[in-house]
Amino acid sequence: DAGVTQSPTHLIKTRGQHVTLRCSPISGHKSVSWYQQVLGQGPQFIFQYYEKEERGRGNFPDRFSARQFPNYSSELNVNALLLGDSALYLCASSQGQNTGELFFGEGSRLTVL
Amino acid sequence: KNQVEQSPQSLIILEGKNCTLQCNYTVSPFSNLRWYKQDTGRGPVSLTIMTFSENTKSNGRYTATLDADTKQSSLHITASQLSDSASYICVVRPNRGGTSYGKLTFGQGTILTVHP
Repeated sequence: DAGVTQSPTHLIKTRGQHVTLRCSPISGHKSVSWYQQVLGQGPQFIFQYYEKEERGRGNFPDRFSARQFPNYSSELNVNALLLGDSALYLCASSQGQNTGELFFGEGSRLTVL
Repeated sequence: KNQVEQSPQSLIILEGKNCTLQCNYTVSPFSNLRWYKQDTGRGPVSLTIMTFSENTKSNGRYTATLDADTKQSSLHITASQLSDSASYICVVRPNRGGTSYGKLTFGQGTILTVHP
């Protein structure tokens, strides 16, 4: 079975641009969570979606948005990129909103120049 | 203030040696505590998960212990291998009825380097 898949794996953007990151959860998982991990730090929670609805939001500006599709895949969008947005963006899926093991994807490495 | 503190920040050991990583937390009450292994540039992979009532949990050469009274956990790695070089992250989940995964509190990680 495929694990959590994320795309792209690496990308480089310039300040002011926008980016879309994609995540496909493990088959049967209905919850997708997004995390930002800056080098040398632990992951910071951005969003959780369950059954296509936002169920949690971290302390991130409105430039960050996300959505979940009927097939439970998800997109994370970041507008007006800043240098500080450079990070590894992790997607994690679980069966339930609050239950089940949390499985992480390999991440999307975003570099903002 | 980060409610999950890990020590040491980094650690270098020789292949074959044992090591212990520490995690102190203030999250209370908590539902479970997890240890993840994260290779450089990769996503975290779960090693162990313990509820507040468990004292120890093993996964091969990895053994996690938990003292809920002192709010401390440790991860012991036996007979280290080069492939153990990674960041090890302690994650605590609060117990607040229906808490979403957004409430998980991550430590900053301990970077372990195993030298031949």
